[in-house]
Amino acid sequence: GQNIDQPTEMTATEGAIVQINCTYQTSGFNGLFWYQQHAGEAPTFLSYNVLDGLEEKGRFSSFLSRSKGYSYLLLKELQMKDSASYLCASAAGNKLTFGGGTRVLVKP
Amino acid sequence: EAGVVQSPRYKIIEKKQPVAFWCNPISGHNTLYWYRQNLGQGPELLIRYENEEAVDDSQLPKDRFSAERLKGVDSTLKIQPAELGDSAVYLCASSPTGGLTYEQYFGPGTRLTVT
Repeated sequence: GQNIDQPTEMTATEGAIVQINCTYQTSGFNGLFWYQQHAGEAPTFLSYNVLDGLEEKGRFSSFLSRSKGYSYLLLKELQMKDSASYLCASAAGNKLTFGGGTRVLVKP
Repeated sequence: EAGVVQSPRYKIIEKKQPVAFWCNPISGHNTLYWYRQNLGQGPELLIRYENEEAVDDSQLPKDRFSAERLKGVDSTLKIQPAELGDSAVYLCASSPTGGLTYEQYFGPGTRLTVT
């Protein structure tokens, strides 16, 4: 079976850093995705990790530890437009299982 | 490049009525997904197509839900009859292949309200 766990909500200040943790228990795991979803809009792809380690993409970085079943998404230099839900999704076979999403609120 | 197109964007129906959603994936994407997203939750897969074949419909409530992708391009998802608990956003996504190394591209969704 698949089980994805991430915090429901986080609040941070503009210009700060926020780390969103995700733990998963996935049979046949073959990768971890992060998506961003603004209210009322479609999820958009942020990152994909299949090997252990950190992947950096501008202000966003994603980390994976397969042995611990753990990933995090790091958002640096937060901007107001980063206020959104961040979805962690584990891949197994040809299927993505999403967590409930973490709603990030960026305050001035 | 045009993204995934879905229509309608919003639909309000009374319970027990039928409803249909339409999706046009990104050109050249062979894999098409239908998801349901309840408020405050992540998307849940309903069905996945590889071309015109439904290769994973294990989460589709087949007593009232049906889907088709006749020519391997556009797809329709139908609910008949709708129930109050079907109120959700129905998302369509596509990817170039069924392999998960390719990210899925999502459409804007259809927000269904059943009254």
